[in-house]
Amino acid sequence: GAGVSQSPRYKVAKRGQDVALRCDPISGHVSLFWYQQALGQGPEFLTYFQNEAQLDKSGLPSDRFFAERPEGSVSTLKIQRTQQEDSAVYLCASSSQGLSLYYEQYFGPGTRLTVT
Amino acid sequence: AQRVTQPEKLLSVFKGAPVELKCNYSYSGSPELFWYVQYSRQRLQLLLRHISRESIKGFTADLNKGETSFHLKKPFAQEEDSAMYYCALPLTQGGSEKLVFGKGTKLTVNP
Repeated sequence: GAGVSQSPRYKVAKRGQDVALRCDPISGHVSLFWYQQALGQGPEFLTYFQNEAQLDKSGLPSDRFFAERPEGSVSTLKIQRTQQEDSAVYLCASSSQGLSLYYEQYFGPGTRLTVT
Repeated sequence: AQRVTQPEKLLSVFKGAPVELKCNYSYSGSPELFWYVQYSRQRLQLLLRHISRESIKGFTADLNKGETSFHLKKPFAQEEDSAMYYCALPLTQGGSEKLVFGKGTKLTVNP
């Protein structure tokens, strides 16, 4: 079956523009995670959903970042008034049973955002 | 604070040589730890986890609580092992779940 998909794969935005990044998790997966990976760094947690409930958004860097998963499947990460420091790869991951020690987290290919 | 440290950004070995990728953690409690791998132009994927005590593609990792380490080892490196390797600490607390990653080590296995 299909894995986690993300779109677009690449996005170039002018500073100040709003962007929306989409994640399609594996069908039936309860948990969905967003991570931000800056160049030369490991992924850093942004936010976590269990079904449609956003249980943790402590990693969102500012109030310009907003994520939603209204029907408990597809998720969108929105960044308003993009800044150059937002340039990064945004990774989405899903898991069938949450972040369990026994259930794997599957990652998407990422969206590379470049803010000019 | 919980964190993961991978002290080597780059590691280069020759094919057939042993390889060890270092990972140290900071965590109050009994941790679980994972290794993730990202091959060129592929997505991040789980390589192995401490709780499974498994050996994947010849790699093993032992949790050393005294040294707070979870180093990844392989006795004979292969060219196809060239990739980015990330050590990760899963955290579940207060209804939240997340992975805390190290900065990664780029392994190059030379022919």
